[in-house]
Parts: sequence; structure tokens; C-alpha cells
Amino acid sequence: GAVVSQHPSWVICKSGTSVKIECRSLDFQATTMFWYRQFPKQSLMLMATSNEGSKATYEQGVEKDKFLINHASLTLSTLTVTSAHPEDSSFYICSARDMGRGTGELFFGEGSRLTVL
Amino acid sequence: DAKTTQPPSMDCAEGRAANLPCNHSTISGNEYVYWYRQIHSQGPQYIIHGLKNNETNEMASLIITEDRKSSTLILPHATLRDTAVYYCIVRGTGTASKLTFGTGTRLQVTL
Repeated sequence: GAVVSQHPSWVICKSGTSVKIECRSLDFQATTMFWYRQFPKQSLMLMATSNEGSKATYEQGVEKDKFLINHASLTLSTLTVTSAHPEDSSFYICSARDMGRGTGELFFGEGSRLTVL
Repeated sequence: DAKTTQPPSMDCAEGRAANLPCNHSTISGNEYVYWYRQIHSQGPQYIIHGLKNNETNEMASLIITEDRKSSTLILPHATLRDTAVYYCIVRGTGTASKLTFGTGTRLQVTL
């Protein structure tokens, strides 16, 4: 099946620093990617929709200046958590839509676990 | 996107069929039913999807009622590796159509 890869799979950083997470579609092109975050024992919460060549669309309550999204190519989207704080510690997951398949199934990356000290 | 309702948890004995129900009474005509599962600390895995006909693949079967207001995911022979949270989601097929996750069903497969 289609493969979506995230990097890094886990990262620990100090409070106040910025962290970049990459999401790549390995065997298909994705004009649209989605970023989610997940806290322990909770469901995935959609943060934003990443659009290749245009600005990301953020969900209500998600700070666009805090979570910078760049979709520079058809196979890469990046999420940068700026000035990270302990409350930003979470599991961040990206997904990409393979429009070459039927109804455009979404495939998910392995997730990136961020711990802010 | 339509909202779904799933039981919070279910148990199933290994080797038996696991039947996971989902209610989506507000589904609209152009929305598909998707099933994903998430094993602990991993990204969600696509299982199956359908519009109105029953579907089967190598992982599972999806049974959608005639009025499309509910569906059932069937794992024919559950194994311990099938222990996960299973999410039932309905969404349209537009490029910007999002997957909105509910709370899912935590399936525990036991010996």
C-alpha cells in the first residue's frame, strides 16, 4: 500500500526551541496533507490541512503562528512547532491523500512523538 | 462530515470473529464509510471503506445497512495483533474532505 513517512519519529527539546517534523509521501504525489495531534488516551485531533503551493488551512483554536506548515513539494510537508513549551508535548501524525486511488484514501505516517522539557 | 457513534470498548476471543458496530445516522448521500485502526503509539492504518455495497478485502469485511445509517466491521478471525482502537469515519470524496476522528472502539483480543 501507499507509504507515508515521518521524521523524526521522536524528539526531545528544551522549552523555547523550535522543532521541525517532516512528512513525506514515498510512492505517490499528494497535493493535500493533514496534520493531527494526539494526547495520551485521546483521539486524533485535526490541526490543519496542508496544501501544496498555497497556505495551510488551520482548524479553529490552532495557532497558525505557533504551528508553521509548509508544503513545498508534492511529496513533502513540514510542521514546525515554534517556541515549544511542555504543553506542546504530544504525538503528531501526518496523513496524505493518494488521489490516484479510487476515492483518494488517506494514509498515515508513523507519528512523531515530541517531548518538551 | 457526519458524526459517528461507536461503543467505547469490546472484547473478542482469539480466532473468533470480531464485529465492530458503528452508527452514522446523519450520513449524506455522497459520504463514504471508512474504517481505520490505531495500534498503540503508531499512526492509524487504513482498513476498508465503502459507499453502500458490502465490501471485503484481505483484512476485513464491511457491512453497510440498506439505509446506510449504520455499518459493521468484521474481522473474521481475530488475532492478538488485532488489538487496537478502531475508528469508523464518514467523509466525502472532495480533495479538501477531512477525516475527523471520534473516540473509536478499543478492541481487546484475548487468548
